[in-house]
Amino acid sequence: EIVLTQSPGTLSLSPGERATLSCRASQTVPTKFLAWYQQKPGQAPRLLMSHASTRATGTPDRFSGSGSGTDFTLTINALGPEDFALYYCLQYVNLPYTFGQGTKLEI
Amino acid sequence: QVRLQESGPGLVKPSETLSLTCSISNGSINNNYWSWIRQPPGRGLEWIGYIFYSGNTSYNPSLKSRVAMSLDTSKKQFSLKLKSVTTADTAVYYCARFPAANADWGQGTLVTVSS
Repeated sequence: EIVLTQSPGTLSLSPGERATLSCRASQTVPTKFLAWYQQKPGQAPRLLMSHASTRATGTPDRFSGSGSGTDFTLTINALGPEDFALYYCLQYVNLPYTFGQGTKLEI
Repeated sequence: QVRLQESGPGLVKPSETLSLTCSISNGSINNNYWSWIRQPPGRGLEWIGYIFYSGNTSYNPSLKSRVAMSLDTSKKQFSLKLKSVTTADTAVYYCARFPAANADWGQGTLVTVSS
């Protein structure tokens, strides 16, 4: 099983700042099979980024994804108030598919 | 965009079987994988398994002995059965068109296991 470790667990920032979220995999994950999700309280997770760096429909361009192999990063430039949420990375190259434990982005 | 809607009992007794159905609209059941994912209250996400439109299944080993998925192509629905539930199975259950690059998710349904 591929374990995804996200860091930090909680990130405290202010609107307008830049957020950098990390996702480290226990084995190589091809970028094609690495996704990022955003989840707000009481809502289903929403796809932010597929293929590690391709913004999903509706994802603002202040969100960017990068990385390869075992290290992936989600960067959010100029945080807006709506960006404070939980973020999960997901791999679906190997079964069972696994999520990171999440990073909480808080004000 | 495919729309998904979960349905089923919100309360299940310990040792009984949890049964949920996901209805698909605005899209085809064909050529897609259909998954169930769950999230215990205040915790992270766990992939339960998928069923391919052909009927092939794959389950998370952590739940494999208790899970069964099926699909009804005529009704455009797929289903989850989880037997011998305990309080640890209390969670929001999501159905999703996944794995897919642009996955679609349902809004989720809370299932509580309690006597």
